[in-house]
Amino acid sequence: QSVLTQPPSVSGAPGQRITISCTGSSSNIGAGYDVHWYQQLPGTAPKVLIYGNNNRPSGVPDRFSGSKSGTSASLAITGLQAEDEADYYCQSYDSSLSGSVFGGGTQLTVL
Amino acid sequence: EVQLEESGGGLVQPGGSLRLSCAASGFTFSSYEMNWVRQAPGKGLAWVSYISSSGSTIYYADSVKGRFTVSRDNAKNSLYLQMNSLRAEDTAVYYCARVAPGYNYGYYMDVWGKGTTVTVSS
Repeated sequence: QSVLTQPPSVSGAPGQRITISCTGSSSNIGAGYDVHWYQQLPGTAPKVLIYGNNNRPSGVPDRFSGSKSGTSASLAITGLQAEDEADYYCQSYDSSLSGSVFGGGTQLTVL
Repeated sequence: EVQLEESGGGLVQPGGSLRLSCAASGFTFSSYEMNWVRQAPGKGLAWVSYISSSGSTIYYADSVKGRFTVSRDNAKNSLYLQMNSLRAEDTAVYYCARVAPGYNYGYYMDVWGKGTTVTVSS
């Protein structure tokens, strides 16, 4: 059972927009800690996609965006492409655990 | 090029021990906080341990507390994870990951190694 809750799967057709939610609690996201998102392509290590709720590292397309409100956060992908098919994880910090916490991951399927 | 490379994984019997290493290159290792993160087969990411840049501050996930020990040797640009009393549920790919510098509102990990596989089975 992950501390942060994500939907197990989402899907969309090429060109469409999808969102992935990430719900936490008062000891992590709700405590003001930022949310970060990682993309994990099959058989590879995770790669940071969004940091600090809504910031993209250089090289990440602006089709990817993040937002945060209260105890939740969301990742949005517009103009869906086949290469976006991957697992996506949200991550934050939890003060009661004194460590990082991850969502359970969301598998994105591009139809 | 900034790189992290894990090693030391393998097959170990329940109750056994293993020591993982993570070699850093391309950056000033001694200036960075580090983490271990693991991923069980077919499962999601799980944070294991954190160590500060000097090694003076260390945290563990409850699932490994008392069994795993994280350490670092800044002179050798290396991070370690000593794993004792291993259980079947410790079977996973173990990643070392660098904490992004200068972030004050709940850090994130900006560089990851490719991982090393640990299998605990009789």
